[in-house]
Amino acid sequence: ETGVTQSPTHLIKTRGQQVTLRCSSQSGHNTVSWYQQALGQGPQFIFQYYREEENGRGNFPPRFSGLQFPNYSSELNVNALELDDSALYLCASSFRAGNTIYFGEGSWLTVV
Amino acid sequence: QQQVKQSPQSLIVQKGGISIINCAYENTAFDYFPWYQQFPGKGPALLIAIRPDVSEKKEGRFTISFNKSAKQFSLHIMDSQPGDSATYFCAAGGGTSYGKLTFGQGTILTVHP
Repeated sequence: ETGVTQSPTHLIKTRGQQVTLRCSSQSGHNTVSWYQQALGQGPQFIFQYYREEENGRGNFPPRFSGLQFPNYSSELNVNALELDDSALYLCASSFRAGNTIYFGEGSWLTVV
Repeated sequence: QQQVKQSPQSLIVQKGGISIINCAYENTAFDYFPWYQQFPGKGPALLIAIRPDVSEKKEGRFTISFNKSAKQFSLHIMDSQPGDSATYFCAAGGGTSYGKLTFGQGTILTVHP
């Protein structure tokens, strides 16, 4: 158990809809990152939040957005869902000054 | 410059054997190299990690070997067990990119009893 919890675990959405995924970071960790893992691939960095601000972004379009709250929990929002957005979305937490990164179990998103 | 290349894609080993997975990176700013183990339907679990100031790190049956000049690192699993059957990912991060990891493509390890 990493102490990183994500919800929901599975969901199905229709193309064009919007989705919100949630994450609670490990106690003491102030940095949250989100990754997308397509089937059979390694995780791809989406973005990172530190002190409630986006602090680095991967090669993902603006319809992927996020929030971090004062308690360090975070949300990932995806608008205008496309079929290719179907993937496992992973939340990872870390302490700002270090690099040890712990992942949650992920949220499986299927877009139909 | 951000790529991490991992090989082999899949690996079959007999119980008790040694499993070896290799990774190569390009970005010399990377200074943190973890390995993650992932079981089907689960998130990646941190297995072992190394920084470039050492050439080898061992934790139980798992060893990372690191070659800074060649920009390569590898995971060795000694006395491989059927319970080790999983997908293994190498990753690289650090420098100014705290919390951001670049992952390899993964290796599916199967350990036969």
